[in-house]
Amino acid sequence: DAKTTQPTSMDCAEGRAANLPCNHSTISGNEYVYWYRQIHSQGPQYIIHGLKNNETNEMASLIITEDRKSSTLILPHATLRDTAVYYCTSGTSGTYKYIFGTGTRLKVLA
Amino acid sequence: NAGVMQNPRHLVRRRGQEARLRCSPMKGHSHVYWYRQLPEEGLKFMVYLQKENIIDESGMPKERFSAEFPKEGPSILRIQQVVRGDSAAYFCASSPVASNEKLFFGSGTQLSVL
Repeated sequence: DAKTTQPTSMDCAEGRAANLPCNHSTISGNEYVYWYRQIHSQGPQYIIHGLKNNETNEMASLIITEDRKSSTLILPHATLRDTAVYYCTSGTSGTYKYIFGTGTRLKVLA
Repeated sequence: NAGVMQNPRHLVRRRGQEARLRCSPMKGHSHVYWYRQLPEEGLKFMVYLQKENIIDESGMPKERFSAEFPKEGPSILRIQQVVRGDSAAYFCASSPVASNEKLFFGSGTQLSVL
């Protein structure tokens, strides 16, 4: 699995878009990018994943660069409940051997 | 529809004791995964089980750790003769089909070894 790097922390104003970057410069052609988040004292929660096309679901959008070396998770209208640690990771289709690093601690400010 | 249930939420053990962590998957899910999150570190895969079978235990420490998922009842992660380094949050996840990357996680068991 490719190594991913994320900023340690970010702040975002409530109601604004939160853009969380992730670098995965060593990602292989068949590896997906996955995003999970972990709200304090809870288990990780799946957000979204993608291979090379941009993806959108009810929670977020995922923008993957054309060279696939980086991606951005977008929460279009952040709320206080989006305050969490966000993890970016990679793996082949059907992976379960997630390795989450320390992620990005997103704080949504009122 | 209840989510993945883990108990206990907090478990305190003295060095040398046994720790048993339980996980009931979501209804309809027959695939269970265990992960460990050490303090100030990320989450790492330990073991993947299907009913009565261990599918992948490549992330399990070779000694003192075992897991089972019987035909009836919850999945159990057992740690024998615990040491202080075992102190961590242990998370269980489940999925309805094999190797599904969209996993549903429980709230975890925080194990503290004194």
